[in-house]
Amino acid sequence: DVKVTQSSRYLVKRTGEKVFLECVQDMDHENMFWYRQDPGLGLRLIYFSYDVKMKEKGDIPEGYSVSREKKERFSLILESASTNQTSMYLCASSLPPGPFGSQYFGPGTRLLVL
Amino acid sequence: DQQVKQNSPSLSVQEGRISILNCDYTNSMFDYFLWYKKYPAEGPTFLISISSIKDKNEDGRFTVFLNKSAKHLSLHIVPSQPGDSAVYFCAASKETSGSRLTFGEGTQLTVNP
Repeated sequence: DVKVTQSSRYLVKRTGEKVFLECVQDMDHENMFWYRQDPGLGLRLIYFSYDVKMKEKGDIPEGYSVSREKKERFSLILESASTNQTSMYLCASSLPPGPFGSQYFGPGTRLLVL
Repeated sequence: DQQVKQNSPSLSVQEGRISILNCDYTNSMFDYFLWYKKYPAEGPTFLISISSIKDKNEDGRFTVFLNKSAKHLSLHIVPSQPGDSAVYFCAASKETSGSRLTFGEGTQLTVNP
């Protein structure tokens, strides 16, 4: 069974803080993704990575950065948290090629920025 | 620019009846479509998919239909069960974008006993 774990289920941070969200997968997947889920907007892709040290911007990368130093770990960084980054953050991983292997999601981190 | 749209935020059906969830897309380059199911406090899980070379794919109680000319797909659940109550997301991909998926807004399905 593929397992994608996220470091926290709930986080409360203050405006301006630097926030790290960690994601680890145990199935040796090349691809990893970060999404945010907001009511009425569905899942929107923030960043993704096809390999170690590689990263590509998704649809809404502004205010975020990522790090992938090891294959199994993909970190999302909020450089200076703002209230409009309050959201549910979901990490996913998949095998290439294409979408045929589908994406496996972690349980999500609900982030509240005050 | 919402390329994948689920126009119904919610749907309520009786147990045993058919649930039909709809999804429309605008990008004709999309060639693979997936449905995910999400329970509260859990991540989405893959449910069923369909390639653009097909118009139907069936897996047990779940069937996905694709109408390429209308850029429309639907998920049919027959018979519906209370355990099917969840948010359903439609997603699309194009071969040139590799594993990247574009998701719709989601539809909350409630199956009443």
